[in-house]
Amino acid sequence: QVQLVQSGAELKKPGASVKVSCEASGLPFTNSWMHWVRQAPGQGLEWMGVINPRGDRTLYAQNLKGRLTLTRETSTGTVNMELSNLRSEDTAVYYCAKDTSVDDLAWWFAPWGQGTLVTVSS
Amino acid sequence: SSELTQDPAVSVALGQTVRITCQGDSLRSYYASWYQQKPGQAPLLVIYAGDKRPSGIPDRFSGSRSGDRASLTITGAQAEDEGDYYCNCRDSRVWQWVFGGGTKLTVL
Repeated sequence: QVQLVQSGAELKKPGASVKVSCEASGLPFTNSWMHWVRQAPGQGLEWMGVINPRGDRTLYAQNLKGRLTLTRETSTGTVNMELSNLRSEDTAVYYCAKDTSVDDLAWWFAPWGQGTLVTVSS
Repeated sequence: SSELTQDPAVSVALGQTVRITCQGDSLRSYYASWYQQKPGQAPLLVIYAGDKRPSGIPDRFSGSRSGDRASLTITGAQAEDEGDYYCNCRDSRVWQWVFGGGTKLTVL
């Protein structure tokens, strides 16, 4: 069964950085774009960014540009999400999700990782 | 960036039909995908490319599109269908993706 497995929960202080990893098991995801989505407590889903298979192209949500960095280890397909200068508002569950698209008209995210809780607190 | 608008909450009687809608300019250009999320779980894809159903998703789930709206219909809602539903599509103005605010479905 294809799965995305993320790293464990993190507790960080304001101003610090956090790095969350996402690794595929069951089948290689080396040819797939990978998205990151976050969800603050009691809130909806927020798209954060996406990285291409080679790891040399990224697209970021406007409100996270300058603080978000997505990277990829091409040999393993592991994708990393690093968010810097953390604020309390960044407290959320962070998800990775595999991209599939067709004809540049439809994109969808599946499967998703299990989620990683990042708590920002002094 | 563009926005996708969903009703915050919808309820349906057990076994009845419910439609969850999503509205936004980007839906005129791109197809929506829909995700079901239950408490403490990751989102699950239930509809992609507007009206396609992934393997394993019951056929009571269907999707449609008209103009700037996308809809998710559950025909014969079951208790296990309770949860939050989110639409998503690519933003038609910039290279990013956007989620609707989510609809909380209650099965009575």
